Amino acid sequence: NAGVTQTPKFRILKIGQSMTLQCAQDMNHNYMYWYRQDPGMGLKLIYYSVGAGITDKGEVPNGYNVSRSTTEDFPLRLELAAPSQTSVYFCASTGQSTVGEAFFGQGTRLTVV
Amino acid sequence: GENVEQHPSTLSVQEGDSAVIKCTYSDSASNYFPWYKQELGKRPQLIIDIRSNVGEKKDQRIAVTLNKTAKHFSLHITETQPEDSAVYFCAAKGRGSTLGRLYFGRGTQLTVWP
Repeated sequence: NAGVTQTPKFRILKIGQSMTLQCAQDMNHNYMYWYRQDPGMGLKLIYYSVGAGITDKGEVPNGYNVSRSTTEDFPLRLELAAPSQTSVYFCASTGQSTVGEAFFGQGTRLTVV
Repeated sequence: GENVEQHPSTLSVQEGDSAVIKCTYSDSASNYFPWYKQELGKRPQLIIDIRSNVGEKKDQRIAVTLNKTAKHFSLHITETQPEDSAVYFCAAKGRGSTLGRLYFGRGTQLTVWP
């Protein structure tokens, strides 16, 4: 049982480049989330999904896109990377029951130069 | 949707002292309240949780209390140790139209001085 698998661990992008952060979970969780965490700060929700084919914006969606074609996968796309997107990105998932913990991926440390 | 407020944002204590972090939530229908610890450079991990039908839960040096009437819950760490230094997040799980969605507080940076 792998839990939440997030790739890559580290990435350096040049301004204007694009990339996709991958996230997969094997727990059949309905909810999946993408957060960014700037140094010394809390978790800011970028996008979330309540199930395959359904996504919604969080607090800070500008500059990002997501898709959820399957229950397992929830990739985050960065278009035209900017220095302000330098951050640590976490993917997480929860089941739809009213109890039960969230599981986090290991994080992706992204630097835009 | 749910709104979770967490205080304080930073907390410094001497080793051996107790630490208390407080959270409030807005949706009276929420019924699951986990706490996560995030060590430097690592992912958040669950340390304790409580369901709305329970008022208090303990696990060794950590405990969580829940006041449903006042809609607040707290994390208590006793006999703090330097390895307790981390960021702590509270959360509440939504009901109704946001069934299952987890709402996080903004985090508390706890520093335990030896």
